[in-house]
This record gives sequence, structure tokens and C-alpha cells, in this order.
Amino acid sequence: DTEVTQTPKHLVMGMTNKKSLKCEQHMGHRAMYWYKQKAKKPPELMFVYSYEKLSINESVPSRFSPECPNSSLLNLHLHALQPEDSALYLCASSQDLTEEMSYSNQPQHFGDGTRLSIL
Amino acid sequence: GENVEQHPSTLSVQEGDSAVIKCTYSDSASNYFPWYKQELGKRPQLIIDIRSNVGEKKDQRIAVTLNKTAKHFSLHITETQPEDSAVYFCARIKGGNKLTFGTGTQLKVEL
Repeated sequence: DTEVTQTPKHLVMGMTNKKSLKCEQHMGHRAMYWYKQKAKKPPELMFVYSYEKLSINESVPSRFSPECPNSSLLNLHLHALQPEDSALYLCASSQDLTEEMSYSNQPQHFGDGTRLSIL
Repeated sequence: GENVEQHPSTLSVQEGDSAVIKCTYSDSASNYFPWYKQELGKRPQLIIDIRSNVGEKKDQRIAVTLNKTAKHFSLHITETQPEDSAVYFCARIKGGNKLTFGTGTQLKVEL
């Protein structure tokens, strides 16, 4: 069983809708990630949160807005999406060490994803 | 220099044979190399990883080798079984938490 839980599993929304994707982990991980995966392609990094702070934004359009309310939760708020945004959105988490301990390169564990379709 | 090249894109083997997937990278600062297996409609699942201070790592039927000088690493699956059929992604991190994936290999194990 996956230890990273994503909801909903499927989401269909119109281009004018506002929706949110949710991700939760209880492994004590302090780094959390959003990836976008198109069919037959590898996951592409969107955002990285480290200790609840946004550390990497891979030039993602502002219609995607991440939020990390606490160390266990990660949200992705969606607004005014385009049909090309239809994809599998994956959340992942990993341990993260402080800079004093140098970058950790810890394994990332993925959730089952949210299959998003934009009409 | 952030891309990871992965070959082959598709691989078909007979059950019981070995399968080898190869990846190359260009950034010499890369120091962590995980491999993920993704079955159709499911999440990427970490199956094995290797760090830059190690040349080889094995876990039952799966092994990974790393050649830092040549900047390539490989996944070896022995005694393949039908349940090994999936898409396999190599990946690398050069520092921090930014994971870059290879383009993927569709492995099909035929009976």
C-alpha cells in the first residue's frame, strides 16, 4: 500500500472551474513534491516544498498554485486550466536534511496520482 | 546538461531471460540514481537506487551498476517474469531534491 495518499483519484473540470488536489503523508518526510505526467512520458517536476517552504518552482504557470499547510499535507489549487493541462498529477515525499548536513538525495515515494481531465 | 538519456525505449524478452536498461547523464555532479517501475495506471514505484560512492548494488533479481567515469548506469533484471512487465524510468539527482527522469523503457516479458 502506498504511504502517500492523493485525493481525488479522478477529476474532470471545466476551464473556468476552481478545484484543489490534495496529498497527505505520515512518514515524517519534510520534503514534498508535485509532478505532472503526460501519457507515455516521464514525470516532470512542478514544485518542491522543503520544511513547508516552497524551494523549487519549475516555471509553472500561475494557474497552478501550490500550498503546504503543514508538514503532512500538500495541496495544488487549480484555476482557469487549459485542455493541455490534462494529465496525471503525482505527489511525492522524501526525507530532507538541513543544509548543515548537506543535501540528502533521499528516495522519493509517490502517491497514486490524480487523473485530471480539462473539458 | 540536465537530460538523462535512456535506452532502449521498448524491450521485449522471453520469460526467464535477462533484461538490461541503460541510462547516460552529462552532469558530473549527479550523485544519486534511483530506478522506478510504473505499471499501467499506477504510481511510479522505487525499485532500487544507487549512490555515487558505490559501483554496484543488488536486490534479489534486480541489480544496478554505475560507471561514474563514463557517466552511465544500468538496470539489470534476471529471470524475468510476466509481472516485471511495466515502464521503467531511470533518474538522477545532482544535489538538493530535484529529480530528473529518463524517457522510460517499456519492458514486455512474454510467456
